[in-house]
Amino acid sequence: SSELTQDPAVSVALGQTVRITCQGDSLRSYYVSWYQQKPGQAPLLVIYDKNNRPSGIPDRFSGSSSGNTASLTITGAQAEDEADYYCNSRDSSPNVIFGGGTKVTVL
Amino acid sequence: HLQLQESGPGLVKPSETLSLTCTISGGSISISSYYWGWIRQPPGKGLEWIASIYYIGYTHYNSSLTSRVTISVDTSENQFSLKLNSVTAADTAVYYCARHGDHGDFGKIDYWGRGTLVTVSS
Repeated sequence: SSELTQDPAVSVALGQTVRITCQGDSLRSYYVSWYQQKPGQAPLLVIYDKNNRPSGIPDRFSGSSSGNTASLTITGAQAEDEADYYCNSRDSSPNVIFGGGTKVTVL
Repeated sequence: HLQLQESGPGLVKPSETLSLTCTISGGSISISSYYWGWIRQPPGKGLEWIASIYYIGYTHYNSSLTSRVTISVDTSENQFSLKLNSVTAADTAVYYCARHGDHGDFGKIDYWGRGTLVTVSS
Protein backbone atom coordinates (compact mmCIF):
# COMPACT_ATOMS: atom_id res chain seq x y z
CA SER A 1 0.00 0.00 0.00
CA SER A 2 1.16 3.55 -0.76
CA GLU A 3 -1.03 5.21 1.82
CA LEU A 4 -0.09 6.94 5.04
CA THR A 5 -2.67 7.20 7.81
CA GLN A 6 -2.82 9.89 10.47
CA ASP A 7 -5.36 10.69 13.18
CA PRO A 8 -7.37 13.73 12.06
CA ALA A 9 -6.97 15.76 15.24
CA VAL A 10 -5.33 15.84 18.65
CA SER A 11 -5.22 18.35 21.47
CA VAL A 12 -2.58 19.10 24.06
CA ALA A 13 -2.43 21.33 27.11
CA LEU A 14 0.10 24.13 26.97
CA GLY A 15 3.49 22.85 28.10
CA GLN A 16 2.52 19.20 27.86
CA THR A 17 3.65 16.50 25.43
CA VAL A 18 1.79 15.33 22.36
CA ARG A 19 2.57 12.47 19.99
CA ILE A 20 1.27 12.31 16.43
CA THR A 21 1.41 9.01 14.60
CA CYS A 22 1.64 8.01 10.96
CA GLN A 23 1.12 4.48 9.69
CA GLY A 24 1.87 2.89 6.35
CA ASP A 25 3.65 -0.02 4.74
CA SER A 26 6.11 2.29 2.96
CA LEU A 27 7.53 3.27 6.34
CA ARG A 28 9.01 -0.19 6.69
CA SER A 29 11.34 0.61 3.78
CA TYR A 30 11.68 4.38 3.50
CA TYR A 31 12.34 7.35 5.76
CA VAL A 32 9.56 9.58 7.03
CA SER A 33 9.49 13.37 7.10
CA TRP A 34 7.16 15.64 9.06
CA TYR A 35 5.82 19.08 8.12
CA GLN A 36 4.10 21.81 10.08
CA GLN A 37 1.56 23.93 8.23
CA LYS A 38 -0.07 27.02 9.67
CA PRO A 39 -3.09 28.67 8.02
CA GLY A 40 -2.22 30.45 4.81
CA GLN A 41 1.38 29.23 4.83
CA ALA A 42 3.37 26.63 2.96
CA PRO A 43 4.35 23.50 4.87
CA LEU A 44 7.59 23.66 6.83
CA LEU A 45 9.89 20.67 7.23
CA VAL A 46 10.35 19.96 10.94
CA ILE A 47 11.70 16.39 10.99
CA TYR A 48 13.39 14.35 8.26
CA ASP A 49 14.99 10.94 7.96
CA LYS A 50 13.04 9.74 10.99
CA ASN A 51 14.61 12.04 13.64
CA ASN A 52 16.66 14.87 12.17
CA ARG A 53 15.72 18.52 12.60
CA PRO A 54 16.52 21.17 10.00
CA SER A 55 18.33 24.23 11.22
CA GLY A 56 16.04 26.53 13.18
CA ILE A 57 13.54 23.90 14.30
CA PRO A 58 13.24 23.81 18.10
CA ASP A 59 14.48 20.71 19.85
CA ARG A 60 11.05 20.15 21.40
CA PHE A 61 10.24 18.47 18.08
CA SER A 62 11.47 14.89 17.77
CA GLY A 63 10.69 11.87 15.65
CA SER A 64 10.82 8.11 15.89
CA SER A 65 9.88 5.16 13.74
CA SER A 66 9.42 1.44 14.16
CA GLY A 67 8.01 -1.00 11.67
CA ASN A 68 5.12 0.60 9.81
CA THR A 69 4.57 3.41 12.33
CA ALA A 70 6.30 6.77 12.69
CA SER A 71 5.72 9.36 15.39
CA LEU A 72 6.29 13.06 15.82
CA THR A 73 6.53 14.19 19.43
CA ILE A 74 6.26 17.76 20.65
CA THR A 75 7.65 17.95 24.18
CA GLY A 76 6.44 21.03 26.03
CA ALA A 77 3.97 22.24 23.39
CA GLN A 78 3.79 25.98 22.86
CA ALA A 79 0.91 28.06 21.57
CA GLU A 80 2.78 28.60 18.30
CA ASP A 81 2.86 24.85 17.70
CA GLU A 82 -0.87 24.86 16.95
CA ALA A 83 -0.98 23.81 13.31
CA ASP A 84 -1.63 20.97 10.90
CA TYR A 85 1.08 18.33 10.77
CA TYR A 86 1.68 16.06 7.80
CA CYS A 87 3.87 13.02 7.53
CA ASN A 88 5.29 11.97 4.20
CA SER A 89 7.55 9.45 2.60
CA ARG A 90 7.97 7.72 -0.73
CA ASP A 91 6.87 4.43 -2.17
CA SER A 92 8.62 2.01 -4.50
CA SER A 93 7.46 3.61 -7.78
CA PRO A 94 8.71 6.21 -6.63
CA ASN A 95 5.86 8.47 -5.68
CA VAL A 96 5.90 11.12 -2.98
CA ILE A 97 3.13 10.19 -0.55
CA PHE A 98 1.49 12.16 2.25
CA GLY A 99 -0.59 11.35 5.27
CA GLY A 100 -3.94 13.05 5.56
CA GLY A 101 -2.72 15.45 8.23
CA THR A 102 -3.31 15.91 11.96
CA LYS A 103 -4.68 19.13 13.37
CA VAL A 104 -2.95 19.92 16.66
CA THR A 105 -4.80 22.20 19.06
CA VAL A 106 -2.92 23.68 22.02
CA LEU A 107 -5.30 24.28 24.93
CA HIS B 1 19.14 31.28 0.45
CA LEU B 2 17.11 29.20 -1.99
CA GLN B 3 13.71 30.58 -2.94
CA LEU B 4 10.98 29.18 -5.17
CA GLN B 5 8.21 31.29 -6.68
CA GLU B 6 5.14 30.04 -8.50
CA SER B 7 3.57 32.05 -11.29
CA GLY B 8 0.62 31.59 -13.59
CA PRO B 9 -3.08 32.34 -14.00
CA GLY B 10 -5.21 32.25 -10.89
CA LEU B 11 -8.35 31.38 -12.83
CA VAL B 12 -8.73 28.63 -15.42
CA LYS B 13 -11.89 27.61 -17.25
CA PRO B 14 -13.17 24.02 -17.06
CA SER B 15 -11.75 21.73 -19.77
CA GLU B 16 -8.82 24.09 -20.38
CA THR B 17 -5.16 23.68 -19.44
CA LEU B 18 -3.64 24.89 -16.19
CA SER B 19 -0.09 26.16 -16.69
CA LEU B 20 2.27 27.13 -13.89
CA THR B 21 5.96 28.00 -13.73
CA CYS B 22 8.31 27.85 -10.77
CA THR B 23 11.29 30.18 -10.78
CA ILE B 24 14.23 29.35 -8.57
CA SER B 25 16.46 32.03 -7.09
CA GLY B 26 19.41 31.83 -4.74
CA GLY B 27 20.55 28.55 -6.22
CA SER B 28 20.72 26.45 -9.36
CA ILE B 29 18.13 24.03 -10.66
CA SER B 30 21.00 22.04 -12.18
CA ILE B 31 22.07 20.40 -8.97
CA SER B 32 22.53 16.71 -8.43
CA SER B 33 20.62 14.70 -5.83
CA TYR B 34 17.49 16.84 -5.91
CA TYR B 35 14.19 16.73 -7.74
CA TRP B 36 11.87 19.64 -8.40
CA GLY B 37 8.20 18.99 -7.98
CA TRP B 38 4.63 20.21 -7.81
CA ILE B 39 2.28 19.56 -4.90
CA ARG B 40 -1.27 20.80 -4.52
CA GLN B 41 -3.72 21.33 -1.69
CA PRO B 42 -7.46 21.77 -2.31
CA PRO B 43 -9.07 24.28 0.05
CA GLY B 44 -9.41 22.76 3.50
CA LYS B 45 -7.85 19.46 2.45
CA GLY B 46 -4.51 17.67 2.53
CA LEU B 47 -1.44 17.64 0.35
CA GLU B 48 -1.21 15.76 -2.94
CA TRP B 49 1.98 15.25 -4.91
CA ILE B 50 1.55 15.79 -8.66
CA ALA B 51 4.87 15.29 -10.42
CA SER B 52 8.62 15.80 -10.17
CA ILE B 53 11.54 16.36 -12.53
CA TYR B 54 15.32 16.09 -12.35
CA TYR B 55 17.34 18.81 -14.07
CA ILE B 56 18.41 16.46 -16.87
CA GLY B 57 14.80 15.56 -17.57
CA TYR B 58 13.97 12.43 -15.58
CA THR B 59 10.32 12.64 -14.58
CA HIS B 60 7.96 10.96 -12.13
CA TYR B 61 4.18 11.38 -12.09
CA ASN B 62 1.37 10.63 -9.67
CA SER B 63 -0.36 7.67 -11.29
CA SER B 64 -3.79 9.18 -10.64
CA LEU B 65 -2.91 12.29 -12.68
CA THR B 66 -0.34 11.07 -15.18
CA SER B 67 -2.70 11.11 -18.17
CA ARG B 68 -3.31 14.85 -17.73
CA VAL B 69 0.03 16.14 -16.45
CA THR B 70 3.26 17.27 -18.06
CA ILE B 71 6.25 18.58 -16.14
CA SER B 72 9.20 20.20 -17.87
CA VAL B 73 12.43 21.99 -16.99
CA ASP B 74 14.27 24.96 -18.48
CA THR B 75 17.74 25.04 -16.99
CA SER B 76 18.69 28.22 -18.89
CA GLU B 77 15.92 30.09 -17.09
CA ASN B 78 16.31 28.21 -13.79
CA GLN B 79 12.64 27.26 -14.03
CA PHE B 80 10.40 24.25 -14.20
CA SER B 81 6.79 24.12 -15.28
CA LEU B 82 3.54 22.21 -14.88
CA LYS B 83 0.74 21.68 -17.35
CA LEU B 84 -2.50 20.02 -16.27
CA ASN B 85 -5.06 19.61 -19.01
CA SER B 86 -8.82 19.03 -19.04
CA VAL B 87 -9.23 20.69 -15.65
CA THR B 88 -12.40 20.50 -13.57
CA ALA B 89 -13.51 22.12 -10.35
CA ALA B 90 -11.76 19.28 -8.51
CA ASP B 91 -8.44 20.74 -9.64
CA THR B 92 -9.06 23.94 -7.69
CA ALA B 93 -6.23 24.10 -5.18
CA VAL B 94 -3.20 25.92 -3.91
CA TYR B 95 -0.33 24.71 -6.06
CA TYR B 96 3.13 24.59 -4.51
CA CYS B 97 6.44 24.09 -6.23
CA ALA B 98 9.10 22.45 -4.11
CA ARG B 99 12.49 20.77 -3.98
CA HIS B 100 12.90 17.25 -2.70
CA GLY B 101 15.59 14.66 -2.44
CA ASP B 102 16.48 11.61 -4.47
CA HIS B 103 16.61 7.89 -3.67
CA GLY B 104 15.93 7.34 0.03
CA ASP B 105 15.20 11.04 0.49
CA PHE B 106 12.75 11.19 -2.43
CA GLY B 107 10.01 12.14 0.02
CA LYS B 108 12.01 14.76 1.90
CA ILE B 109 10.81 18.21 0.77
CA ASP B 110 13.18 20.84 2.11
CA TYR B 111 12.14 23.94 0.16
CA TRP B 112 8.64 25.08 -0.76
CA GLY B 113 7.29 27.99 -2.72
CA ARG B 114 4.64 30.15 -1.08
CA GLY B 115 1.94 28.56 -3.20
CA THR B 116 -0.50 29.98 -5.71
CA LEU B 117 -4.26 29.50 -5.66
CA VAL B 118 -5.69 28.27 -8.93
CA THR B 119 -9.46 28.29 -9.26
CA VAL B 120 -11.22 26.36 -11.98
CA SER B 121 -14.42 28.13 -12.87
CA SER B 122 -16.25 29.45 -15.88
